[in-house]
Amino acid sequence: AQTVTQSQPEMSVQEAETVTLSCTYDTSENNYYLFWYKQPPSRQMILVIRQEAYKQQNATENRFSVNFQKAAKSFSLKISDSQLGDTAMYFCAFMNPTISNFGNEKLTFGTGTRLTIIP
Amino acid sequence: KAGVTQTPRYLIKTRGQQVTLSCSPISGHRSVSWYQQTPGQGLQFLFEYFSETQRNKGNFPGRFSGRQFSNSRSEMNVSTLELGDSALYLCASSLDGYDRGGNSPLHFGNGTRLTVT
Repeated sequence: AQTVTQSQPEMSVQEAETVTLSCTYDTSENNYYLFWYKQPPSRQMILVIRQEAYKQQNATENRFSVNFQKAAKSFSLKISDSQLGDTAMYFCAFMNPTISNFGNEKLTFGTGTRLTIIP
Repeated sequence: KAGVTQTPRYLIKTRGQQVTLSCSPISGHRSVSWYQQTPGQGLQFLFEYFSETQRNKGNFPGRFSGRQFSNSRSEMNVSTLELGDSALYLCASSLDGYDRGGNSPLHFGNGTRLTVT
């Protein structure tokens, strides 16, 4: 079974600074997807960024980028120029596509990191 | 486009009762998944439906069930409620059953907060 570990329960950083959230995972699969989701107080899980394991290039989305180290099974999220609106719970998630032809397989989530951006 | 809509937002039930939660996916989305979020267990996958068929199921007892209608709307039902069922229940939809995983990411609703007393 796949597991996802987020070792930082809480983090805080000054506004405009850069912060990195850690995530490690365990799998014997070679092809899979990794995600970072953000959950603000509104409770809605919002996709921040995703990475396909077969792609060596690290994904970026504006101020958000990842450091994907496949051999080390590490998938960290870097937030640059942090903003107050970045305050939220951040979840790392893993998805392993199966042989089946249809639809999304389940996401396995980490326990989350509560990030607070300090004005 | 409207997002994933879950109703109700809050629900209070007593032990032994049953409850039904509703989820309307984004228009055009055919896959609907359900997750349970608790402080102790985190986010756990319940089940996934596509074209009215359950395709994936997590490790939850039979008291947890669901269904999907022809318009892709989904409901989940929990019977004989226990205190441990108190949780945030999140529904997520995705576009296309043929487009797996990262190419068709999940879009979540705001959840239903269920409290069992």
